Amino acid sequence: AQSVTQLGSHVSVSEGALVLLRCNYSSSVPPYLFWYVQYPNQGLQLLLKYTTGATLVKGINGFEAEFKKSETSFHLTKPSAHMSDAAEYFCAVSEHLGSSNTGKLIFGQGTTLQVKP
Amino acid sequence: KAGVTQTPRYLIKTRGQQVTLSCSPISGHRSVSWYQQTPGQGLQFLFEYFSETQRNKGNFPGRFSGRQFSNSRSEMNVSTLELGDSALYLCASSFGGGNTGELFFGEGSRLTVL
Repeated sequence: AQSVTQLGSHVSVSEGALVLLRCNYSSSVPPYLFWYVQYPNQGLQLLLKYTTGATLVKGINGFEAEFKKSETSFHLTKPSAHMSDAAEYFCAVSEHLGSSNTGKLIFGQGTTLQVKP
Repeated sequence: KAGVTQTPRYLIKTRGQQVTLSCSPISGHRSVSWYQQTPGQGLQFLFEYFSETQRNKGNFPGRFSGRQFSNSRSEMNVSTLELGDSALYLCASSFGGGNTGELFFGEGSRLTVL
């Protein structure tokens, strides 16, 4: 069974500082991994995804993440935080049964990013 | 291209009542999934429908049910509401058919049970 752990429920950075949100996963098969962002009173918006191929994936709003199989990690980074990045971020893995996806995402508990001026 | 549309956005019910939430997926998407989001439990998978068939189900009681219509629109129903059912209910759509798992979410229906 797949699972996701996000380290740190709250992360606070200063505007212009590096953003690092940590995500570790557990999966017995090659995972499909995602980062979503949720702004207050809104649904989830896909930031980026890793399926196969290049392990460094770039997403929207300057975010990127690197898939590291040896560390079972998929940490999200952004070189310089903006005030508009304040939101909740969710890491997710796509559930596999055998060789196919089930259409279900397994989410981490989320990390709230605070950006201080 | 219109996104995933959920109605109603907000609703208040009392214990024992039932509620029906609606979701219109992105045009061309055949899979619709439902998630419950609460501060304590986070995002929990309810069920997924593909081509009018329930393909996957989470660990929720039978009071939670859903269906999908031939145009891929979906509804979920919660009967005999409990206080703990207060949550944001998110619908997500995708092309389905064993894809990479990327989901497109609606803005959710926020249910408050009094």
